[in-house]
Amino acid sequence: GDSVTQMEGPVTLSEEAFLTINCTYTATGYPSLFWYVQYPGEGLQLLLKATKADDKGSNKGFEATYRKETTSFHLEKGSVQVSDSAVYFCALYGNNRLAFGKGNQVVVIP
Amino acid sequence: DTGVSQNPRHKITKRGQNVTFRCDPISEHNRLYWYRQTLGQGPEFLTYFQNEAQLEKSRLLSDRFSAERPKGSFSTLEIQRTEQGDSAMYLCASSLIGAGVSDEQFFGPGTRLTVL
Repeated sequence: GDSVTQMEGPVTLSEEAFLTINCTYTATGYPSLFWYVQYPGEGLQLLLKATKADDKGSNKGFEATYRKETTSFHLEKGSVQVSDSAVYFCALYGNNRLAFGKGNQVVVIP
Repeated sequence: DTGVSQNPRHKITKRGQNVTFRCDPISEHNRLYWYRQTLGQGPEFLTYFQNEAQLEKSRLLSDRFSAERPKGSFSTLEIQRTEQGDSAMYLCASSLIGAGVSDEQFFGPGTRLTVL
């Protein structure tokens, strides 16, 4: 079935550092891809999405490009802030539901 | 538009008791989904409705679980004879599916269930 794999472990980095979170997927067809963010004590919020190959989703300084050839949708931000500390989930939409990765906790230190 | 709401936000119950959660989706949305999220994991699909029809249930949804969306608006998720393994965050999401409309799902804040 459809699945999403995110890199293992939390990510800790200093303010203004470059952030990358890896995400790869397995799916039949060409699913839509998403990044969701969960801030402490809050619900899941859509961060960005891409619906077809080579699309780039972007929002709040975050970007991710739908790469069909490598089945990847890596999340990047050039300069993180303390307020970016959260859990980030990669997801794909297929077979009438979202399939999520395990999530990565990002901690940004001032 | 007040977004997706869920009640209660927290529920503590003893093993063997029944619990019921409610989800109110965004008003014009025709699809409603339930997911379960355990600590350190991403949400896992449980079931979804299109209007009032329950179209699919995951194998995760045992016979002790039942969901309804009686008038195609709010939904309830009931767990009978709760077990400690049912402890999790239960998430509801809604979306508008149709021609020219995206598959974006909007999530509620979740109901955290603790079974003692």
